[in-house]
Amino acid sequence: ETGVTQTPRHLVMGMTNKKSLKCEQHLGHNAMYWYKQSAKKPLELMFVYNFKEQTENNSVPSRFSPECPNSSHLFLHLHTLQPEDSALYLCASSQEGLAVAYEQYFGPGTRLTVT
Amino acid sequence: AQKITQTQPGMFVQEKEAVTLDCTYDTSDPSYGLFWYKQPSSGEMIFLIYQGSYDQQNATEGRYSLNFQKARKSANLVISASQLGDSAMYFCAMREEDRDDKIIFGKGTRLHILP
Repeated sequence: ETGVTQTPRHLVMGMTNKKSLKCEQHLGHNAMYWYKQSAKKPLELMFVYNFKEQTENNSVPSRFSPECPNSSHLFLHLHTLQPEDSALYLCASSQEGLAVAYEQYFGPGTRLTVT
Repeated sequence: AQKITQTQPGMFVQEKEAVTLDCTYDTSDPSYGLFWYKQPSSGEMIFLIYQGSYDQQNATEGRYSLNFQKARKSANLVISASQLGDSAMYFCAMREEDRDDKIIFGKGTRLHILP
């Protein structure tokens, strides 16, 4: 596997279900991100992990719970979601340092539908 | 106030023509980086090109070039000799040095290449 992978690619869940999204990066990066992309809205940054420590929680509801066990893996645990949480969830990674030049590499995303 | 503004929600361009996608940004940080990403219908965000605020020359990557006008805070993407495969959403993004763990994205421009 190369780059950033995400599983599952598609997920349909009911409002009472519990599920998890998984992201894995094979690039040796030290930072990972979760983004939410809804129709007709800009990409919304949800969480940032830098060296496994959460450095950003962008006012995300508690029904979304991130987990970063190591610098290569990132999870997003979902429970009691709402229909408006239906979106494309993108994971990204980058090599953080002292410069602004580090681009983020994205996974293919998980298309989530909450019924 | 929006940090990244993309004023063209959609564009239609004839194949083989050049196309310019507009992006303006807002920052008071003297050190920042500007990025363009492409998102095909598959959902994955693909990094295209980077421009640093201190770079003297406009960035180029193959058919992509960035028309960087610092005084106007403009960073337009130019795609030369467009191809059908260029049809996608295009996002302009910025990273500021004092927030170097966060890339801010614009709302995107949907580009349609016509045969």
